[in-house]
Amino acid sequence: AQKITQTQPGMFVQEKEAVTLDCTYDTSDPSYGLFWYKQPSSGEMIFLIYQGSYDQQNATEGRYSLNFQKARKSANLVISASQLGDSAMYFCAMREAPLYNQGGKLIFGQGTELSVKP
Amino acid sequence: GAVVSQHPSWVICKSGTSVKIECRSLDFQATTMFWYRQFPKQSLMLMATSNEGSKATYEQGVEKDKFLINHASLTLSTLTVTSAHPEDSSFYICSPYRVGAKNIQYFGAGTRLSVL
Repeated sequence: AQKITQTQPGMFVQEKEAVTLDCTYDTSDPSYGLFWYKQPSSGEMIFLIYQGSYDQQNATEGRYSLNFQKARKSANLVISASQLGDSAMYFCAMREAPLYNQGGKLIFGQGTELSVKP
Repeated sequence: GAVVSQHPSWVICKSGTSVKIECRSLDFQATTMFWYRQFPKQSLMLMATSNEGSKATYEQGVEKDKFLINHASLTLSTLTVTSAHPEDSSFYICSPYRVGAKNIQYFGAGTRLSVL
């Protein structure tokens, strides 16, 4: 069975500094997708970034990058130049066997609460 | 980006009553719908998966008779919490799968249910 682990319940970062949020996963399927979402206090799930298991390069989206280490089964999120608005809950999630026309379920990690200090 | 509409965003009900939550994909067809539940300060837990026109598949520990899911069309799915009790108070989030969108998963804005 697939499993996602986020070991940092809470993190603090100074505004304008970079921060890394950890995520490790476990799966026996060679085909999978890894996602990061941001959830502010409003509750909405905001998609940040995606990494496919066969992607050769680490994914990047603006200030977000994913440090994908396949052999170590880790997919850490790096946020550069933190902003006050980055304060939120961050979830790592995995989907096994992402078929083209059939959606596999997303399984979420426990989440990391990020607080950005001014 | 794709738009998902979830309604209501917040509901308070008396114990023993039923509550229906609607989830619509406004600009795409959702062959599969996922329903999650989230308790305060916790992660999203998958409750059930439904495919259009089929019965939902429930995760272990989720009562299918309490949480009725209907996915009658490719753009609408509903979750009905029947005979709600205070322990059903939670944040419920729908997540429709857009065909071909393997690298993104959309979510509704969620419904906060408070059962008195």
